[in-house]
Amino acid sequence: DAGITQSPRHKVTETGTPVTLRCHQTENHRYMYWYRQDPGHGLRLIHYSYGVKDTDKGEVSDGYSVSRSKTEDFLLTLESATSSQTSVYFCAISEFVSSGNEQYFGPGTRLTVT
Amino acid sequence: EDQVTQSPEALRLQEGESSSLNCSYTVSGLRGLFWYRQDPGKGPEFLFTLYSAGEEKEKERLKATLTKKESFLHITAPKPEDSATYLCALASGAGSYQLTFGKGTKLSVIP
Repeated sequence: DAGITQSPRHKVTETGTPVTLRCHQTENHRYMYWYRQDPGHGLRLIHYSYGVKDTDKGEVSDGYSVSRSKTEDFLLTLESATSSQTSVYFCAISEFVSSGNEQYFGPGTRLTVT
Repeated sequence: EDQVTQSPEALRLQEGESSSLNCSYTVSGLRGLFWYRQDPGKGPEFLFTLYSAGEEKEKERLKATLTKKESFLHITAPKPEDSATYLCALASGAGSYQLTFGKGTKLSVIP
């Protein structure tokens, strides 16, 4: 693994509760990403960051917010969790974008919203 | 809109039986075509990046090739430990931050 940890690894929560997932990297990479993976879909980008306090939306950003106050940490928040947000969430990092943007993934967080 | 289609969805091979996985794509300005391996319960593991038609890369029993419309992942004499889901993704000039992933091919290699 490319020095990426995610916490928690598993979480069960109730509809309407706030949830925060954490991604921590030790590679000092500039770019960080949050994806979700669901059966029947490929990995889909939720949000990404191109530097401290610099973030932008991905393909499926509705219902999610992110923050990055330090190079090594990227937080994903579900303000009010819904059952449609039950998924496996992956964090990824990369150093460059211009050279093709190969991304390295963390181990994932399995989130269940009941 | 960038699109990635992988086929077949699932593939069962006998140990030693070589085969290929397909990734067809449509993209505006290819910046990179990526192959990943994903084991159950784990994050995708990077394998290869291909940048231009005609390019090939190899790693152990795996060889990735690229044309203007497709990429192939050739698996030579596979072993049971090659069993995994293989993902194809691309980065385009329209938005290099975002990788567009296919749904994957689940490979099972039977001893």
